[in-house]
Amino acid sequence: QVQLQESGPGLLKPSETLSLTCTVSGDPLSDYHWSWIRQPPGQGLEWIGQIHDSGSSNYNPSLKSRVTISVDTSRKKFSLKLNSVTAADTAVYFCAAYRGGWSGVGPWGQGTLVTVSS
Amino acid sequence: DIQVTQSPSTLSASVGDRVTITCRASQGVDSWLAWFQQKPGKAPKLLIYKASNLESGVPSRFSGSGSGTEFTLTISSLQPDDFAIYYCQHYSAYSPWTFGQGTKVET
Repeated sequence: QVQLQESGPGLLKPSETLSLTCTVSGDPLSDYHWSWIRQPPGQGLEWIGQIHDSGSSNYNPSLKSRVTISVDTSRKKFSLKLNSVTAADTAVYFCAAYRGGWSGVGPWGQGTLVTVSS
Repeated sequence: DIQVTQSPSTLSASVGDRVTITCRASQGVDSWLAWFQQKPGKAPKLLIYKASNLESGVPSRFSGSGSGTEFTLTISSLQPDDFAIYYCQHYSAYSPWTFGQGTKVET
């Protein structure tokens, strides 16, 4: 059973780059799509993007110009970079696994709060 | 891009009630629709995938139906543990995902 854990800085200043890592334990990384989703305080879920272990990726069009998702299958980690952050990027960031096809998205990490404040 | 719209945004119900939440897609999505439950401070939990398939370990009082543009999540007999926020999600392997805005089920 795959388990995921997010890690990274919890506080950033405006214009900095958000960098988060998701560490995967359990099943190997192959044949999974690895995703990032965020949730501003008190609001709904927003999909950020996903990457397949082959390196193929797609992103939310509204964030695409600022987002990079990468995967390191040998180290069983995948990462999110979001540049030029503002207060609007303050959110709980979740990583999640998706096996592709009709299967649903899960499991998820527990989430990590990132606050952007000067 | 495909948008998904949930209704209602808030639903008041009591233990034992039958509860139905609706999700509409802005264009046909076949059965690429999932439902999640989220409780405060927790990650969303997958309940239903492929519109009507029950995720392993999820109680059978949860069910999903629909295809194309209109979908429903039904809880046949609401239990105390079911008070939460529910989200629908359009997903697929190679196109953008979108989430509904959420439905809060409260007492």
